[in-house]
Amino acid sequence: EVQLLESGGGLVQPGVSLRLSCAASGFTFTSYAMSWVRQAPGKGLEWVSTISGSGSGTYYADSVKGRVTVSRDNSKNTLYLQMNSLRAEDTAVYYCARLNYGSETVWGQGTLVTVSS
Amino acid sequence: DIQMTQSPSSLSASVGDRVTITCQASQDIRNYLNWYQHKPGKAPKLLIYAASNLQAGVPSRFSGSRSGTDFTFTISSLQPEDIATYYCQQYDSLPPYTFGQGTKLEI
Repeated sequence: EVQLLESGGGLVQPGVSLRLSCAASGFTFTSYAMSWVRQAPGKGLEWVSTISGSGSGTYYADSVKGRVTVSRDNSKNTLYLQMNSLRAEDTAVYYCARLNYGSETVWGQGTLVTVSS
Repeated sequence: DIQMTQSPSSLSASVGDRVTITCQASQDIRNYLNWYQHKPGKAPKLLIYAASNLQAGVPSRFSGSRSGTDFTFTISSLQPEDIATYYCQQYDSLPPYTFGQGTKLEI
């Protein structure tokens, strides 16, 4: 069974850093680009970042560019999102997802990040 | 970047009603469009992929279609368990993989 399990969320103060992880299982991880999507309270879904299967290609939303780094460890089947200089507007549920594969689209259950003093 | 304009933003309907949601892409995205159902506290659920293909296990009352850059999502007979927010999402070519603004469906 294909599974994505996020971790690393929590309550943090503005300005600090946080790293989210997404453990993948049930499929050949290196064969798929992986993405992060977030949903702020009361808002819609927002694409955040995508990384190619090899890790050589990375893409970011303008809202996070320069503060966020996506990476992956294909030996551990794990996707990461390093978030720096966190702001209140980064408060959201963060999902990892296999987004652009039609019927093979898969989402994790999400991890909540709350940025507040 | 490709923009997705989804409407309406909210919709109130009755059980048994036919419900239609639309998404318009700012440029040609071919058939690379997903439709999701999202309930609070849950992961988004893929209903339709490639504009008109029903995901395995999804009831046949859900359907999708495409006309150029206009995409339509339909629930043929609304059921109580269909109360959720629905999103379109394009995945043509390279990121960003833009979402529509969402449609909150209420009974």
